[in-house]
Amino acid sequence: AQKVTQAQTEISVVEKEDVTLDCVYETRDTTYYLFWYKQPPSGELVFLIRRNSFDEQNEISGRYSWNFQKSTSSFNFTITASQVVDSAVYFCALSVLGDKIIFGKGTRLHILP
Amino acid sequence: DTGVSQDPRHKITKRGQNVTFRCDPISEHNRLYWYRQTLGQGPEFLTYFQNEAQLEKSRLLSDRFSAERPKGSFSTLEIQRTEQGDSAMYLCASSLVEQRPYEQYFGPGTRLTVT
Repeated sequence: AQKVTQAQTEISVVEKEDVTLDCVYETRDTTYYLFWYKQPPSGELVFLIRRNSFDEQNEISGRYSWNFQKSTSSFNFTITASQVVDSAVYFCALSVLGDKIIFGKGTRLHILP
Repeated sequence: DTGVSQDPRHKITKRGQNVTFRCDPISEHNRLYWYRQTLGQGPEFLTYFQNEAQLEKSRLLSDRFSAERPKGSFSTLEIQRTEQGDSAMYLCASSLVEQRPYEQYFGPGTRLTVT
């Protein structure tokens, strides 16, 4: 069975601070995909990134970066120089072979001005 | 390409009533998924279709829930005899299995409130 754990329920940081959202996943499959989604107060799910299990390269996109480590089954997400607009709920998720997506419970991020 | 659309966006119903939601996937996407998101939780998988065939149903999908995709295009999710515990956001997603099955595009959701 697959599982995604986001241990941080809620995080508050002051604007311009860096913040890392943790994600640990479980699966016995060797081929899988990992995702991060953002859900702002409006409710829609905004896709941020997808990684496949064979690509452990870290990725940076502007102020966002992702650290994928198969050895620890983690896929952490860092926001550098946070902004108030980053305030949202962030979900880490896992999919095996294009099947259903298994989401974590989410981390609610508050960026304080 | 207008993306995944869902109708209605909001639905308020009284306990015991039946409700039906509609999802229109991205044109030519052959997979369609339904998820449910309750307050403070991540979306949870309910069921998915490939074309008109329903390939998997979660144990979350009780007998009061039924989903269809009669012509392999739009889908409907019906909840009979609604209960307060059914209050949630119902999300639909679609993908094209031949190309990128893992790339699911989500709709804006239907928020159901059962009073």
